[in-house]
Amino acid sequence: RKEVEQDPGPFNVPEGATVAFNCTYSNSASQSFFWYRQDCRKEPKLLMSVYSSGNEDGRFTAQLNRASQYISLLIRDSKLSDSATYLCVIYNAGNMLTFGGGTRLMVKP
Amino acid sequence: GAVVSQHPSRVICKSGTSVKIECRSLDFQATTMFWYRQFPKQSLMLMATSNEGSKATYEQGVEKDKFLINHASLTLSTLTVTSAHPEDSSFYICSANREPGNTIYFGEGSWLTVV
Repeated sequence: RKEVEQDPGPFNVPEGATVAFNCTYSNSASQSFFWYRQDCRKEPKLLMSVYSSGNEDGRFTAQLNRASQYISLLIRDSKLSDSATYLCVIYNAGNMLTFGGGTRLMVKP
Repeated sequence: GAVVSQHPSRVICKSGTSVKIECRSLDFQATTMFWYRQFPKQSLMLMATSNEGSKATYEQGVEKDKFLINHASLTLSTLTVTSAHPEDSSFYICSANREPGNTIYFGEGSWLTVV
């Protein structure tokens, strides 16, 4: 089993739809959790940090479920510009970063 | 603006030559930087951890003599691809952690094409 797993997608959704991705992790000692967005042929850019209490930034909501060992990203009112690959990135003790394989989102008109 | 800057963004080189890629943290010091490569439609793969003032730590399967890493200062790490071959063509990205908060920032990435 991979340490961090994501559904690769693609998730094809119409504009205005709500879409959610999950990212499961196997290391219960994982400390920090992030969602990054990566556009084609570009570097990943930080979308949100994920806190235990959950956090929201506009149309984006991130949550952490430590008991079930997953993080989620919810996007409301999808825009065409949301089309990208969403990477979950987990930071373990010992300075170790682990990436999910990414989930592709395609928002259609 | 960029927090971590990478240069060059694109480079084409001939087989057998060496290419150096720089990664700079612009407004913070980074004792540790990370180097990744990414093949098309795949996720980032950690190549090595660059430690300021000491040797880099390489991931299994990454040749340390081929991918030379130097972290001479708290704001600069370099990756040199030596004796490049076409199969080394890839997207190389660096990252650095900014404290406090442990936020990871990525460089803009460098496209290497070996012909």
